[in-house]
Amino acid sequence: GIQVEQSPPDLILQEGANSTLRCNFSDSVNNLQWFHQNPWGQLINLFYIPSGTKQNGRLSATTVATERYSLLYISSSQTTDSGVYFCAVESGNDYKLSFGAGTTVTVRA
Amino acid sequence: DAGVTQSPTHLIKTRGQQVTLRCSPKSGHDTVSWYQQALGQGPQFIFQYYEEEERQRGNFPDRFSGHQFPNYSSELNVNALLLGDSALYLCASSLWVYNEQFFGPGTRLTVL
Repeated sequence: GIQVEQSPPDLILQEGANSTLRCNFSDSVNNLQWFHQNPWGQLINLFYIPSGTKQNGRLSATTVATERYSLLYISSSQTTDSGVYFCAVESGNDYKLSFGAGTTVTVRA
Repeated sequence: DAGVTQSPTHLIKTRGQQVTLRCSPKSGHDTVSWYQQALGQGPQFIFQYYEEEERQRGNFPDRFSGHQFPNYSSELNVNALLLGDSALYLCASSLWVYNEQFFGPGTRLTVL
């Protein structure tokens, strides 16, 4: 099956800093999503982005499908941005989302 | 517009027991997927239901079974519970295939 690798595994930021999270995948994808998992376990949809660039407030994402990677940008980070960020993909004839191991972000005041 | 809902929120069972978890999809969605998330890991796909049939299954034993009802809601059943089944169980809904999946708040299962 498709391999999904996220980096870095952990990120510690000062409030107001910018950061970039990376997701590499090993095959072509039909679907790519970024999620933020809050401390209660809820997976919150950030972006549905199998290709191209999208922006939503302080967050933006870019997927370069031909080079098999996606980037999530967090600008002017806030303490509420803390949590685990997951990249997940659907590939080929798979209907399932395959998740990376996640990036744990800690934003300090 | 109600999102994906799951019940119960928390559940404590003992080894060997059976459990049923429930999920109602987001309005307008016809596909339900179930995932298991162990502590510190990413969610792992259990199976997906579409038109009341299991469309795809992940690498989980037959102790894990499911059902989808005509109103698109779904159940996940786990028999002969093991300690290793302790996890957060997440339900996701979507419209058909390759479209955005939305997750419910999860059911946290503890097996003692």
